[in-house]
Amino acid sequence: NAGVTQTPKFQVLKTGQSMTLQCAQDMNHNSMYWYRQDPGMGLRLIYYSASEGTTDKGEVPNGYNVSRLNKREFSLRLESAAPSQTSVYFCASSEWGVSRNQPQHFGDGTRLSIL
Amino acid sequence: AQTVTQSQPEMSVQEAETVTLSCTYDTSESDYYLFWYKQPPSRQMILVIRQEAYKQQNATENRFSVNFQKAAKSFSLKISDSQLGDAAMYFCAYRSYSGGGADGLTFGKGTHLIIQP
Repeated sequence: NAGVTQTPKFQVLKTGQSMTLQCAQDMNHNSMYWYRQDPGMGLRLIYYSASEGTTDKGEVPNGYNVSRLNKREFSLRLESAAPSQTSVYFCASSEWGVSRNQPQHFGDGTRLSIL
Repeated sequence: AQTVTQSQPEMSVQEAETVTLSCTYDTSESDYYLFWYKQPPSRQMILVIRQEAYKQQNATENRFSVNFQKAAKSFSLKISDSQLGDAAMYFCAYRSYSGGGADGLTFGKGTHLIIQP
């Protein structure tokens, strides 16, 4: 019962470095999502992918890029990390369409610190 | 754009008592979905309960129930017989009906629930 798997769980970067956060789901879900969670804030949507081959911006996309590699995998890339991107990043997946009230299933998060 | 407001940053309740967490939202849509997620210190996001806006009946899941007031745009969570394991951050979330729900959740800022033994 792996569900949604995120790697790494922790990472420290220096300003200007690049990094890719990996996410994979084994539930055969169509949709995948990247959120960030900052202290005192709820989760905010960065990017999402409604289906394989499509991606769309969420609420806070600046400074990030994503790739939907296949149905299972959805990666988030920071090209030039900035201290403002210090956060906990969550990947999620869900089914949609036929039964739209399907909840999102979340990974365990990646704590990213940028010095 | 939709917004979700949780007006109680922190709530405290005695073990075995009942507590209600508040959530209001703003939307121009008539069909949508609402969720409560629990986030314990382990950082996992755990679904507690969900509600479809077109259903008038309030959702229940064991000790957890909601009071959904569509006209007031209110979606409160009631936890009965509180247990120590209920201590966590609780997030209210909104999901649009349009687009099949593929376009993500909008979260409130969360309520930190403390259970006093």
